[in-house]
Amino acid sequence: SAVISQKPSRDICQRGTSLTIQCQVDSQVTMMFWYRQQPGQSLTLIATANQGSEATYESGFVIDKFPISRPNLTFSTLTVSNMSPEDSSIYLCSVEGARDSSSDTQYFGPGTRLTVL
Amino acid sequence: GNSVTQMEGPVTLSEEAFLTINCTYTATGYPSLFWYVQYPGEGLQLLLKATKADDKGSNKGFEATYRKETTSFHLEKGSVQVSDSAVYFCALSPGTASKLTFGTGTRLQVTL
Repeated sequence: SAVISQKPSRDICQRGTSLTIQCQVDSQVTMMFWYRQQPGQSLTLIATANQGSEATYESGFVIDKFPISRPNLTFSTLTVSNMSPEDSSIYLCSVEGARDSSSDTQYFGPGTRLTVL
Repeated sequence: GNSVTQMEGPVTLSEEAFLTINCTYTATGYPSLFWYVQYPGEGLQLLLKATKADDKGSNKGFEATYRKETTSFHLEKGSVQVSDSAVYFCALSPGTASKLTFGTGTRLQVTL
């Protein structure tokens, strides 16, 4: 399966600031997704990152709060804007459709642990 | 809509005990079913999957069988190890390029 890396692995931020998380894949993939895992909770999809066009957001998530870019088939960024303590979570990117991988299976990056003070 | 229900945790077992973590789902059509594992401080790893009824997914001694008649995908392992201590997530996907719907996760603690 594809090797997925995320930067930063963790960060502590002040409220009102913004943080951009990067997701890099070692091969071209069809789909990239961003999920949020709040403390002790399951995963919730934030959006699907579309290459060359605007991301597709799930209900309850908006572009102004979580702008996403995907300039090519191996890279995406998620920005958490104007942060509050409620944004403290693990943010994970996942990918689907890498060469030599099943087309309907998502593989996850290691996650970014964000704490907002 | 789609949903996944997992048994509540935490589950505490002694090493070499038999493990079952129940998972049932609600979905239209024929979703693919997955088990992911999250070790402490890490991201999610795919443990196993099944894509159609009666398929059995297996990996690292873990098994799960896709039961359409009972809409279930229970995870089993015959003899757990301390190193299996983690959170296990059951998930479904309706198809390619679709979001995963996760269960709430079940924490497993294995003791010596």
